[in-house]
Amino acid sequence: KAGVTQTPRYLIKTRGQQVTLSCSPISGHRSVSWYQQTPGQGLQFLFEYFSETQRNKGNFPGRFSGRQFSNSRSEMNVSTLELGDSALYLCASSTGQGNFYEQYFGPGTRLTVT
Amino acid sequence: SQQGEEDPQALSIQEGENATMNCSYKTSINNLQWYRQNSGRGLVHLILIRSNEREKHSGRLRVTLDTSKKSSSLLITASRAADTASYFCATGYTGGFKTIFGAGTRLFVKA
Repeated sequence: KAGVTQTPRYLIKTRGQQVTLSCSPISGHRSVSWYQQTPGQGLQFLFEYFSETQRNKGNFPGRFSGRQFSNSRSEMNVSTLELGDSALYLCASSTGQGNFYEQYFGPGTRLTVT
Repeated sequence: SQQGEEDPQALSIQEGENATMNCSYKTSINNLQWYRQNSGRGLVHLILIRSNEREKHSGRLRVTLDTSKKSSSLLITASRAADTASYFCATGYTGGFKTIFGAGTRLFVKA
């Protein structure tokens, strides 16, 4: 099976802009979770989508949003970018909802905000 | 606060030696997972151990879980230079659905 894919792999944006990241899960996986990784805060959970519905959400401002499509592909959007949003954004897919299942991660999208 | 905390923060060993990393957590969990990350790339899933399990093996990896002490350890035997990476524990706590990652242990294996 193909692994989790994320596009784009690298992105440079300016403060105030918005960005959309994409994640395609492993075939058959219905859950997609998003994480932000920074040197200072480590890996932080953003949200999880399962069957096109957001099931869980981390402690991030409303500028961070997402959605999931009927084919389980997911997008994450960050509006009004801030310098602190510079990070590696990772998505992970799993067969079921919640933390009961193994998560398989994509290679990440490295976002740089200038 | 983060659910899992790894110890040590960094570890440097010679090829062929064993490496042990520890993870402590604070509340009841459904399971605990270990991941490896090479140089800022995606995470690779290593092992999932459920709260009713005490030990699991996968190749050169051995994971133990002690729920009474709220701790887990990852042992890599006969380490190789290719094992150089950051290792993270991730805890899935009961009553919720989030997986919380620790800060990670940076392992450096010298050839």
